[in-house]
Amino acid sequence: ETGVTQTPRHLVMGMTNKKSLKCEQHLGHNAMYWYKQSAKKPLELMFVYSLEERVENNSVPSRFSPECPNSSHLFLHLHTLQPEDSALYLCASSLGTGHTDTQYFGPGTRLTVL
Amino acid sequence: GENVEQHPSTLSVQEGDSAVIKCTYSDSASNYFPWYKQELGKRPQLIIDIRSNVGEKKDQRIAVTLNKTAKHFSLHITETQPEDSAVYFCAASSGLNYGQNFVFGPGTRLSVLP
Repeated sequence: ETGVTQTPRHLVMGMTNKKSLKCEQHLGHNAMYWYKQSAKKPLELMFVYSLEERVENNSVPSRFSPECPNSSHLFLHLHTLQPEDSALYLCASSLGTGHTDTQYFGPGTRLTVL
Repeated sequence: GENVEQHPSTLSVQEGDSAVIKCTYSDSASNYFPWYKQELGKRPQLIIDIRSNVGEKKDQRIAVTLNKTAKHFSLHITETQPEDSAVYFCAASSGLNYGQNFVFGPGTRLSVLP
């Protein structure tokens, strides 16, 4: 599958580490998203970017810092995380940010914070 | 803001039987309702969606019905097969404020027993 890719697929980090998650989409889309998926909880939208500009930030703690250098790449920079931040982080993209635009998800990064 | 509930949280059916998953939403402005399927260890994928100007939509063995008055919509899977086993997420969106109102339900784990 090459539509939306994410690296790394698994990440273990200590609370004092700094790491970054990477997402890349090869679909020619203009919007990209970060979601957090925790066990037995709904998918939580974290950030939305449209044409490299952040359009939504759902009150996410500052220890998560997104970066969108171009419409094909999205990063999530992590620092000073807490154990409760352990989750599956999913990236998605869509053609636009119209609310009926289908979102295509990446495989996710399984993050464990020790 | 929007709140989406989903029932049941787990569902087991015999192969060949039908499965029904129901979601309720709170925001009467919501007008787009997608359903995503997430197989174990894989990414969520859109399987069907419905807009508020339509009461029912069908795609082969999958159908979605919408009752705007009661603010609920349901996913129906007929002639279930083992490959239908997955977690199914519903979502609701109004488009008035993209990020805030695109809300997912907590998911239903469907197991199709051979």
